[in-house]
Amino acid sequence: DAEITQSPRHKITETGRQVTLACHQTWNHNNMFWYRQDLGHGLRLIHYSYGVQDTNKGEVSDGYSVSRSNTEDLPLTLESAASSQTSVYFCASSESTSGLYNEQFFGPGTRLTVL
Amino acid sequence: GENVEQHPSTLSVQEGDSAVIKCTYSDSASNYFPWYKQELGKGPQLIIDIRSNVGEKKDQRIAVTLNKTAKHFSLHITETQPEDSAVYFCAAYYEFGNEKLTFGTGTRLTIIP
Repeated sequence: DAEITQSPRHKITETGRQVTLACHQTWNHNNMFWYRQDLGHGLRLIHYSYGVQDTNKGEVSDGYSVSRSNTEDLPLTLESAASSQTSVYFCASSESTSGLYNEQFFGPGTRLTVL
Repeated sequence: GENVEQHPSTLSVQEGDSAVIKCTYSDSASNYFPWYKQELGKGPQLIIDIRSNVGEKKDQRIAVTLNKTAKHFSLHITETQPEDSAVYFCAAYYEFGNEKLTFGTGTRLTIIP
């Protein structure tokens, strides 16, 4: 069955370290998204991609970067982790059909703690 | 940009009673409104949606209503069951736009047996 996976599921790191969170989907979806979930803020968009070599900034992109070298993967990198980046991170993907909404399918999440 | 407000942040109801979660949006161009359910330790999952040309939509025990004039929409769950306990998110989307959802802040629903 097609699916979307995230790794690791839990990560503890120290301030200033570089961290990469992996996201892999087997639906062959063109669209991929990264969100962070914090109490009182819901889900906020960090970065998104509409296809290979395409990346775009979301509303909370500072301190994060992504790259899209193939259809299946969109890794999220924290260049220099900060305590404010402690959060639960969700990856999502959707088909690409111009116009009408395409359901976003979410991964199981990665809980990141920055000490 | 779009702003979505969601209330209440927490809601407890007796099993068998109804639950209502309300959201308001700011951008009159938004024309699609999905609701997501997030169970503990999992990612959100779409449970129902509504487009702006429809006032109400039902799927078994859940329904969503939309008031375009007032720019608010609501999720209604009837005959609540323990498995309805979860966090629920509303969202707004502009079709023919840029594929970006704007989420509400979430409602933690607890069903009391």
